[in-house]
Amino acid sequence: DGGITQSPKYLFRKEGQNVTLSCEQNLNHDAMYWYRQDPGQGLRLIYYSQIVNDFQKGDIAEGYSVSREKKESFPLTVTSAQKNPTAFYLCASSIGTSTWGREEKLFFGSGTQLSVL
Amino acid sequence: DAKTTQPPSMDCAEGRAANLPCNHSTISGNEYVYWYRQIHSQGPQYIIHGLKNNETNEMASLIITEDRKSSTLILPHATLRDTAVYYCIARSVEYGNKLVFGAGTILRVKS
Repeated sequence: DGGITQSPKYLFRKEGQNVTLSCEQNLNHDAMYWYRQDPGQGLRLIYYSQIVNDFQKGDIAEGYSVSREKKESFPLTVTSAQKNPTAFYLCASSIGTSTWGREEKLFFGSGTQLSVL
Repeated sequence: DAKTTQPPSMDCAEGRAANLPCNHSTISGNEYVYWYRQIHSQGPQYIIHGLKNNETNEMASLIITEDRKSSTLILPHATLRDTAVYYCIARSVEYGNKLVFGAGTILRVKS
């Protein structure tokens, strides 16, 4: 059953702690994305990756880091530098075509709710 | 940045058509309009997308004006399960063609 799996569903962070959110897809998609959503707000792009071993910053990359060592995996680390990390985090993927972005239908995971202790 | 403007909320009676408007007056000629919806605490779900022609699938219809400055998503027979936040999105050329989400429209379907 193809799709995107995010884990854990709920995560708690202590002050000064780094935490890593997992995102795995078995859709054979080249492009992967991380979005942050605050209550009552739309989604804001944190990082995205068009291909393995390459990624770019989105709107709000400060305090976050990512890696893309495998096509199917795009983990997000929320570092201690992110002073307001409490939010709902969504991972997505898309096919990613040679004509990048012309038709980029996104498939989303079910999200991770991160809270600060 | 191809921004979109949507009303913050709308109500619809169960069984009736829900018409959700979206303005995207700065959209470029080769930018698609996408619609997604998000049920509380879940990931957004793709609904439909289009460039200039009207589109229909099993979930909805998308009507795009001839000048492409606005569009309407139509759910032909809304059910209670259609209650969600609906996002109209145009690709952002500024950010290398990624999709930029706004606040969306909260659609409440009432019995």
